[in-house]
Amino acid sequence: EVQLVESGGGLVKPGGSLRLSCAASGFSFSSYIMNWVRQAPGKGLEWVSSISGSSSYIYYADSVKGRFTISRDNAKNSLYLQMNSLRAEDTAVYYCARDPAGSSWTNWFDPWGRGTLVTVSS
Amino acid sequence: EIVLTQSPATLSLSPGERATLSCRASQSVSRYLAWYQQTPGQAPRLLIYDTSNRATGIPARFSGSGSGTDFTLTISSLAPEDFAVYYCQQRSNWPITFGQGTRLEIK
Repeated sequence: EVQLVESGGGLVKPGGSLRLSCAASGFSFSSYIMNWVRQAPGKGLEWVSSISGSSSYIYYADSVKGRFTISRDNAKNSLYLQMNSLRAEDTAVYYCARDPAGSSWTNWFDPWGRGTLVTVSS
Repeated sequence: EIVLTQSPATLSLSPGERATLSCRASQSVSRYLAWYQQTPGQAPRLLIYDTSNRATGIPARFSGSGSGTDFTLTISSLAPEDFAVYYCQQRSNWPITFGQGTRLEIK
């Protein structure tokens, strides 16, 4: 069974940093494009970042470009999101999601993890 | 950035009824549109991709149609578990964008 489990969320002050992790199991992690999608409390979904299996291709939403860094460790079956210079508007549940087609960019998201909550507040 | 506008914001129907949800794109996305379902406290689930293809395990009562800028998700006969929030998403252009959601509630 495919599983994605996020961790690393918590309360952080504006301007602070946080590193999220996503542990993957049940599939050949290195063969799949991976993504982060976030959802502010009571709001809709916002795509954050995507990374190819070899880390050769990386994309960011403008709202996080220059502050967030996506990475992966295929030996550890793990995806990461380093978040720096955090702002109140970054407060959200952050989901890890797999591209269902493997190494081809379908840019659909399936499945999703359960998410981890990041709260940016003083 | 392609903006997706979903309507209505809220749809109130009874179990057994037919639901029709709309998603309009600010420019053509060809057929590169997906639908997701999110129930309270849960992660979203992919229902439909490339406008009309059901994802694995999705019941046949869910169907999608459209092309260009206008898309529809239809649930032919609402089951109790279908009352949720539905989002459309486009992958035609970066950045990937989502609609603001339609809440399907029990009447």
